[in-house]
Amino acid sequence: GQNIDQPTEMTATEGAIVQINCTYQTSGFNGLFWYQQHAGEAPTFLSYNVLDGLEEKGRFSSFLSRSKGYSYLLLKELQMKDSASYLCAPTDSNYQLIWGAGTKLIIKP
Amino acid sequence: DAMVIQNPRYQVTQFGKPVTLSCSQTLNHNVMYWYQQKSSQAPKLLFHYYDKDFNNEADTPDNFQSRRPNTSFCFLDIRSPGLGDAAMYLCATGSSGIYNEQFFGPGTRLTVL
Repeated sequence: GQNIDQPTEMTATEGAIVQINCTYQTSGFNGLFWYQQHAGEAPTFLSYNVLDGLEEKGRFSSFLSRSKGYSYLLLKELQMKDSASYLCAPTDSNYQLIWGAGTKLIIKP
Repeated sequence: DAMVIQNPRYQVTQFGKPVTLSCSQTLNHNVMYWYQQKSSQAPKLLFHYYDKDFNNEADTPDNFQSRRPNTSFCFLDIRSPGLGDAAMYLCATGSSGIYNEQFFGPGTRLTVL
């Protein structure tokens, strides 16, 4: 079967760094997406990894290890506006996104 | 700006009263998706279209139907809404191929009384 595992909730302090982990099992693999979703809003694209390694985009970075079925999203210099849910979504052999339930990130001053 | 538009943003209906949600896009994407999302849960794919080819997920209830009259528009019909159908309904678009980034509309929040 297909399975996505990420923590339900995390708390971090403004200005700090946080790492959100995701492990996955899918039927085939064609890359992994991270999306951000603020409460009551639609998901918005953050990053995409298809090869092993780190992709950096400003304050956000995403890492992928295909052999381990593992990815993480790293958020630096946290701001209050980063309080949101972060959804890990690997793609399967049919190029369909398989969605995790998301990690709710709470930023405290 | 190219975008995905959903109407209405908020919909209230009565138990058993049919409702239609709409989605339109100016991105000219050939794939359109309908998701149901409940609080603190993953988006659940209901169905999607590759061009006019309709793909229904195996566990999507018969109560949910969809139409795509042209590339730009897609509709979600809920024939007899139950209390359990109260959720956020998200429309997304994408291009078929290896890179499958999905672009979401703002969603429609459905309340069933």
